[in-house]
Amino acid sequence: DAKTTQPPSMDCAEGRAANLPCNHSTISGNEYVYWYRQIHSQGPQYIIHGLKNNETNEMASLIITEDRKSSTLILPHATLRDTAVYYCIVRQGGSEKLVFGKGTKLTVNP
Amino acid sequence: ETGVTQTPRHLVMGMTNKKSLKCEQHLGHNAMYWYKQSAKKPLELMFVYSLEERVENNSVPSRFSPECPNSSHLFLHLHTLQPEDSALYLCASSQHTTGYQPQHFGDGTRLSIL
Repeated sequence: DAKTTQPPSMDCAEGRAANLPCNHSTISGNEYVYWYRQIHSQGPQYIIHGLKNNETNEMASLIITEDRKSSTLILPHATLRDTAVYYCIVRQGGSEKLVFGKGTKLTVNP
Repeated sequence: ETGVTQTPRHLVMGMTNKKSLKCEQHLGHNAMYWYKQSAKKPLELMFVYSLEERVENNSVPSRFSPECPNSSHLFLHLHTLQPEDSALYLCASSQHTTGYQPQHFGDGTRLSIL
């Protein structure tokens, strides 16, 4: 699976949009981008995933660049409860493996 | 509520004890997984089950013994563990092991070995 690169930490003001970047320059054609987050003392929570097109659900939006070498997870109106470690994962279709890196620790400040 | 329930949430045991971790999923999924998360280390995949058959064992020591009696339940039997086995043990499920559907995780069992 392709490796991902994320900033180790980010801060965001409550009520503002949080934009979390991820680089996956070695992604191949059949690899999806997944985002999970882990709040302290809980298991990872699935947020969203996509292949080429931008995706949106009730939690977040996923913007994937046209060359698919990077993506951005957008939390449109961050709340204090969105403070967590966010993981960007590239996963090959047909593979059961989710390879978690170190993620980005997002702190939402009041 | 993720639809994946793990019990107990916390477990303290001695190195000679035998205990079991339990995972139950209410999502109608066919695949289940055990992961280990040690302090300051990424999640490590331990075992994968598809339709109650083990399809992956990532070089896990034999003191960890998984069991999947049906597609809704997964156990991890523990015996003669070492202090370095202290970690958060996470269970996950997905519709299948192949395809693109995401895995959904429970909140884990925090295991401490004395």
